[in-house]
Amino acid sequence: EIVMTQSPATLYVSPGERATISCRASQSVNGNLAWYQQKPGQAPRLLIYGASARATGIPDRFSGSGSVTEFTLTISSLQSEDFAVYYCQQYNDWPPSYTFGQGTKVEIK
Amino acid sequence: EVQLVQSGAEVKKPGESLKISCKSSGYSFTTSWIGWVRQMPGKGLEWMGSIYPGDSYTRYSPSFQGQVTVSADKSISTVYLQWSRLKASDTATYYCARAEVTLIGVVRGNGMDVWGQGTTVTVSS
Repeated sequence: EIVMTQSPATLYVSPGERATISCRASQSVNGNLAWYQQKPGQAPRLLIYGASARATGIPDRFSGSGSVTEFTLTISSLQSEDFAVYYCQQYNDWPPSYTFGQGTKVEIK
Repeated sequence: EVQLVQSGAEVKKPGESLKISCKSSGYSFTTSWIGWVRQMPGKGLEWMGSIYPGDSYTRYSPSFQGQVTVSADKSISTVYLQWSRLKASDTATYYCARAEVTLIGVVRGNGMDVWGQGTTVTVSS
């Protein structure tokens, strides 16, 4: 089973600043990496798939990068609505199976 | 509009059975995978299992194999998650989510792009 490790667990950022979250896979996931945002009491929302493709309706301040086992989610200029928990997820298996990272909480500094 | 609408909150006792549902609309139900994701109170997301409604092929996470059953009814575009004997540790919010993923030489997919609103299950004596 592929293990996904996110860092940091909590990130303190001021509004308008850049936020960077890392995600490491225990083996190559061939770019099959997604990022999700979850706010309290809400379902997760897909931000990025295929490591770097933005999902429909996602603002361009969200970007994803990386390959093989190392991936990054960057929020270029944090808005008030971006304070939330972020998860990475790999889906490089057939039939499909998935593994989530443990989550990174982005809090106001 | 693509939508997944889940059944309402449940309160059950340990040992009882339960089946929750996820009704799809706005897309071709039989050609996308549907997965179930657990979120225990204050915790992260855990993939439980997925089904391909076109042929009801199902794959489970090793952590949930034998603990739950995922099924689908094509006639009403609905996927189910069921337990035969609930435990207190099954208390959680359960989400269904659509996943577009294919195997053409390599796996390619769009992640889980549409989510249900969640079903909260409370198991307590």
